[in-house]
Amino acid sequence: DVKVTQSSRYLVKRTGEKVFLECVQDMDHENMFWYRQDPGLGLRLIYFSYDVKMKEKGDIPEGYSVSREKKERFSLILESASTNQTSMYLCASSFLPRTEDGYTFGSGTRLTVV
Amino acid sequence: QQPVQSPQAVILREGEDAVINCSSSKALYSVHWYRQKHGEAPIFLMILLKGGEQKGHDKISASFNEKKQQSSLYLTASQLSYSGTYFCGTEPDNNDMRFGAGTRLTVKP
Repeated sequence: DVKVTQSSRYLVKRTGEKVFLECVQDMDHENMFWYRQDPGLGLRLIYFSYDVKMKEKGDIPEGYSVSREKKERFSLILESASTNQTSMYLCASSFLPRTEDGYTFGSGTRLTVV
Repeated sequence: QQPVQSPQAVILREGEDAVINCSSSKALYSVHWYRQKHGEAPIFLMILLKGGEQKGHDKISASFNEKKQQSSLYLTASQLSYSGTYFCGTEPDNNDMRFGAGTRLTVKP
């Protein structure tokens, strides 16, 4: 069964901490994405990657960075966590070029910054 | 850049029908539809590519009007299992998807 795995289901971090959110997919997908999900705002794109060591900014990259050293792993980094980064973070992956399979999402990491 | 979904919420009785709309200000290559149940990952329902095709999946179907950059999701004879939040995802030619804010669908017995 195809899978996108996010390392933590729940995280609580302190303001100013550096936070790493990990995402691993086992489908050999080229594309990987990080979204944050907030009530009333839906899913907003933070960063995405088409290939190893490649990254592109989404709509809300401020305060975040990413790393993709291996094809199957895409990490989201909060350089200095702030309370307004409290959110649900969803990782997704897909084939490139586009296919009719859509995106496969992980179950999400609910991050609380206190 | 996010597509606009309407309505924000719908409450139905089992067996009733619903329509969820999605519109974009950008020319689109495709529209995706996903359903997310509380506490779970969004699940892919279907993709519509430009060309104006309509697709169906059990009693859930969708259409895509590429001239108007609009898509609609049709849920027919709704079942309790249809409850959840539905998201449309729109994909312009540069291959990164934007999602709408979601439509919360509640189906009651």
